[in-house]
Amino acid sequence: QSALTQPASVSGSPGQSITISCTGPSSDVGGYDYGYDYVSWYQQHPGKAPKLLIFDVTQRPSGVSNRFSGSKSGNTASLTISGLQAEDEADYYCCSYPSGTTWVFGGGTKVTVL
Amino acid sequence: EVQLVESGGGIVQPGGSLRLSCAASGFTFSDYWMHWVRQAPGKGLVWVSRINSDGSGAVYADSVKGRFTVSRDNAKTTLYLQMNTLRAEDTAVYYCARASHYYMDVWGKGATVTVSS
Repeated sequence: QSALTQPASVSGSPGQSITISCTGPSSDVGGYDYGYDYVSWYQQHPGKAPKLLIFDVTQRPSGVSNRFSGSKSGNTASLTISGLQAEDEADYYCCSYPSGTTWVFGGGTKVTVL
Repeated sequence: EVQLVESGGGIVQPGGSLRLSCAASGFTFSDYWMHWVRQAPGKGLVWVSRINSDGSGAVYADSVKGRFTVSRDNAKTTLYLQMNTLRAEDTAVYYCARASHYYMDVWGKGATVTVSS
């Protein structure tokens, strides 16, 4: 149950785009042999509960801003925040379902809006 | 409104036990798998356990296997986490979360567990 690797911090100015990577063994982020993709992303503001941002690599729940988007290439998933806003300053976590029975989170990335 | 509310946190000595509860409302609890996720002070999220919708199956992270037991009472729409043989490294905020397919779409606000002598 190794953790997924994320950069500790990413920063950007208001209006810019930033990308957070999430890398793991191909068996984790790469997904099942069947080709399903189970990477999700969560946003957490200080002292608050996590909030689902992206599921199934690219899907956005209703109510989540379209400034947030997800993608994957090989064993690296990515979360892009476009048009960075002050309210986006938070911690972000990726999560995968590598083994078919257990889940694993990334170490988290602190996003700072300059 | 879909809601999860954890309770039962507190301070316990090493080697002690504690049971967390997670009261669900606003959705058909018995239709969903449920998770426990924890976060040590200043650290990241760590998945702890998952239980299936009827309570017949559960899986655990290696770090808690054999010490923690997840259960549920669908009639009371409540999820539980029985934590035994607690260690200092179990100190964390414990969140319950609703499972939707392979992700967690609804989270509670968390319950704080402190293991200290």
